Amino acid sequence: SQTIHQWPATLVQPVGSPLSLECTVEGTSNPNLYWYRQAAGRGLQLLFYSVGIGQISSEVPQNLSASRPQDRQFILSSKKLLLSDSGFYLCAWRNQGARGYGYTFGSGTRLTVV
Amino acid sequence: AQSVTQLDSQVPVFEEAPVELRCNYSSSVSVYLFWYVQYPNQGLQLLLKYLSGSTLVKGINGFEAEFNKSQTSFHLRKPSVHISDTAEYFCAVIQGDFNKFYFGSGTKLNVKP
Repeated sequence: SQTIHQWPATLVQPVGSPLSLECTVEGTSNPNLYWYRQAAGRGLQLLFYSVGIGQISSEVPQNLSASRPQDRQFILSSKKLLLSDSGFYLCAWRNQGARGYGYTFGSGTRLTVV
Repeated sequence: AQSVTQLDSQVPVFEEAPVELRCNYSSSVSVYLFWYVQYPNQGLQLLLKYLSGSTLVKGINGFEAEFNKSQTSFHLRKPSVHISDTAEYFCAVIQGDFNKFYFGSGTKLNVKP
């Protein structure tokens, strides 16, 4: 069966520090991968998605970036965190061939920038 | 672009009472509709989805939703809620580009004893 892993679960980082969040998927190949952010009191905002290794689409201009170095690995990064980067970050995947089917979400990373 | 509106940010309800969580979207052209539930500090779990066919869809945990094309709505219902249903619920729509889910802002359901 397919599983999705995100880590770390919680993270407290000072303003200006770098960030690296990792997401991996098991049990499938060539998934579509997504990063969402959920800010306090707000809905989910799509940040990046990837349809293949090295292919990244950005939805929101900001100081975050994403990379997909391997088929089932998706990384969210920042060189210098801002206070506004605080939030709950969710990784998700979907089978490319499963048109109309929903995402499967990871358990999320709670990021607090102080 | 598609937009999804969940008018109720919070819904308090007593245990065993019925509940309806409202969701409206902006365009009915080729849409797929979903409801997700999020328990505290967890990811989102799929409750149910409408892809085609019967407009009444049943999901997990006794929830159901009805697709109403003329009213562009996809309201979530449960005839009798439990304390364990306390969570945040998100409505989501896919239209055209299957890489882009449009999520509502969420409704926090608070079930009281």
